Amino acid sequence: DAKTTQPPSMDCAEGRAANLPCNHSTISGNEYVYWYRQIHSQGPQYIIHGLKNNETNEMASLIITEDRKSSTLILPHATLRDTAVYYCIVKPSGANSKLTFGKGITLSVRP
Amino acid sequence: GAVVSQHPSRVICKSGTSVKIECRSLDFQATTMFWYRQFPKKSLMLMATSNEGSKATYEQGVEKDKFLINHASLTLSTLTVTSAHPEDSSFYICSAVPNYGYTFGSGTRLTVV
Repeated sequence: DAKTTQPPSMDCAEGRAANLPCNHSTISGNEYVYWYRQIHSQGPQYIIHGLKNNETNEMASLIITEDRKSSTLILPHATLRDTAVYYCIVKPSGANSKLTFGKGITLSVRP
Repeated sequence: GAVVSQHPSRVICKSGTSVKIECRSLDFQATTMFWYRQFPKKSLMLMATSNEGSKATYEQGVEKDKFLINHASLTLSTLTVTSAHPEDSSFYICSAVPNYGYTFGSGTRLTVV
């Protein structure tokens, strides 16, 4: 399975954009990039996913480089409630393939 | 949206007893569910893949006789921790796959005393 590399932590000011990077240099052509976040003592929450095109939903935007070797999750206006561990995951092809979590990046939003 | 319900949210049990954790898909059918374990300040580790109507697939190093998984219907998978020991204390999380993404339960905090 393709692995991902994320910085261990970052912080940003409330109201500012948070840009969370992820490297996935061994990703295969049919593998998707998924982002989840986990707030302390809760189950992971789905944020967004993409294959090659940039994606946007009500929570975030996902920017995938043209070579697909890296991506950036953008929270446009971070709030204190966005403080969490964010996981970038490469999903193997197949409808029910398993998700393997890395260490994630801890985002701290400061007032 | 798709919801996965996990029960109980917290459980404390004595060493040597067994504990059952339920994972239900509330508004969709799930032929496959996943069970994870998470120790404090660590990432989620996949334990097993639960398959409706067939045996679960366990990850390397996970004792199948200790962590019994049953997926008897398209909406329910159960994880039973047998003969629990303090080192089994952890946060257990299940996941299922609706039409998009993977939906996770809220987790079960198991404490073995």
